[in-house]
Amino acid sequence: AQSVTQLDSHVSVSEGTPVLLRCNYSSSYSPSLFWYVQHPNKGLQLLLKYTSAATLVKGINGFEAEFKKSETSFHLTKPSAHMSDAAEYFCVVSDSILNNQAGTALIFGKGTTLSVSS
Amino acid sequence: DGGITQSPKYLFRKEGQNVTLSCEQNLNHDAMYWYRQDPGQGLRLIYYSQIVNDFQKGDIAEGYSVSREKKESFPLTVTSAQKNPTAFYLCASSRTGFEKLFFGSGTQLSVL
Repeated sequence: AQSVTQLDSHVSVSEGTPVLLRCNYSSSYSPSLFWYVQHPNKGLQLLLKYTSAATLVKGINGFEAEFKKSETSFHLTKPSAHMSDAAEYFCVVSDSILNNQAGTALIFGKGTTLSVSS
Repeated sequence: DGGITQSPKYLFRKEGQNVTLSCEQNLNHDAMYWYRQDPGQGLRLIYYSQIVNDFQKGDIAEGYSVSREKKESFPLTVTSAQKNPTAFYLCASSRTGFEKLFFGSGTQLSVL
């Protein structure tokens, strides 16, 4: 069965420093993986997704994530944090056996709150 | 344990039939949401409710209806007007509107 673990519930960084949000997954199949962001008082937004193409995935707002099968990880990074990056981040895994069928089951991590200080 | 419960996990709909997806939470959250997931796309908001007896349309409300008669419950009805209902449906809640979301385990809806 699929599962996803976000290793940090809260990450604090200073503006201009690198961001690392950690995510480990377990999957019996080749997973699809996503990162979503939820800004305060706004809905969910898809940051990036991995679907068995390139292992380094580039997303919006300068974020990227690397799929490492040997480590079962999909950590989210950004070279330089901006104040506007402060938000809740969710790592998500999908059940790839269903990917070829309409509708894709998603399993959400519990989220990581990113705080950015000036 | 507090959480969000969605049922059923799998649901099949016949052509022209209305079906209702259940979502219950015991987190004492005011706000609840319904999202839809299609392959290759991000989640899309169908409906949300920030308080009992009130709800608003999201981005793709056509063909769906909801009710919020109790704080704990936010059922979603997929009507016959929804021409492409096959998808994964995810319910979520938050303490107040658009705070950190807590997610259910989802319902996979397919058309027979």
